[in-house]
Amino acid sequence: AQTVTQSQPEMSVQEAETVTLSCTYDTSESDYYLFWYKQPPSRQMILVIRQEAYKQQNATENRFSVNFQKAAKSFSLKISDSQLGDAAMYFCAYSGGSNYKLTFGKGTLLTVNP
Amino acid sequence: GAGVSQSPRYKVAKRGQDVALRCDPISGHVSLFWYQQALGQGPEFLTYFQNEAQLDKSGLPSDRFFAERPEGSVSTLKIQRTQQEDSAVYLCASSGQGRDTEAFFGQGTRLTVV
Repeated sequence: AQTVTQSQPEMSVQEAETVTLSCTYDTSESDYYLFWYKQPPSRQMILVIRQEAYKQQNATENRFSVNFQKAAKSFSLKISDSQLGDAAMYFCAYSGGSNYKLTFGKGTLLTVNP
Repeated sequence: GAGVSQSPRYKVAKRGQDVALRCDPISGHVSLFWYQQALGQGPEFLTYFQNEAQLDKSGLPSDRFFAERPEGSVSTLKIQRTQQEDSAVYLCASSGQGRDTEAFFGQGTRLTVV
């Protein structure tokens, strides 16, 4: 079974600084997708960034980028120039093989200090 | 509507009561998922529909849980004889055809069983 592990229950960062959230996963599949989702207090999951396992290049979306290390099964999220609106729970998620479902980690609560 | 809509947003049920949670996906989205999110945890997969067909119900925790999507659009998650351990946020997500399409989430229904 696939598992997703987020080892940092909480992280904090100063506004305008950079923070990295960690995620590791376990799978025997060769074809899969990895995601970072943001969940603010409104509870609605918002997709931040997505990485396809067969792509060597790390995905980037404006201030958000990932460090995808396939051999190490590691998928960290870097947030640059942190903003107060980035404060939320962040979930790492996996989808692989013939299965469309998402397997989530337990999340990291990010606090942004002004 | 513009996004995934779930109702009610909050539901308080007495133990033993039956509840029905509704999900209106984005129009035209083929895939629909239900997830259960316990307090302080990541969402966990419950069930998956492709159009009206329930292709995966491996995550339903017991036979008290039942989901349907009779016309391939609106879906209902029903929980019979609710127990305290059923207290959680129930999230619905929809997506288009194919593994590479983004899943859009609703704001969830927070169920509290007293």
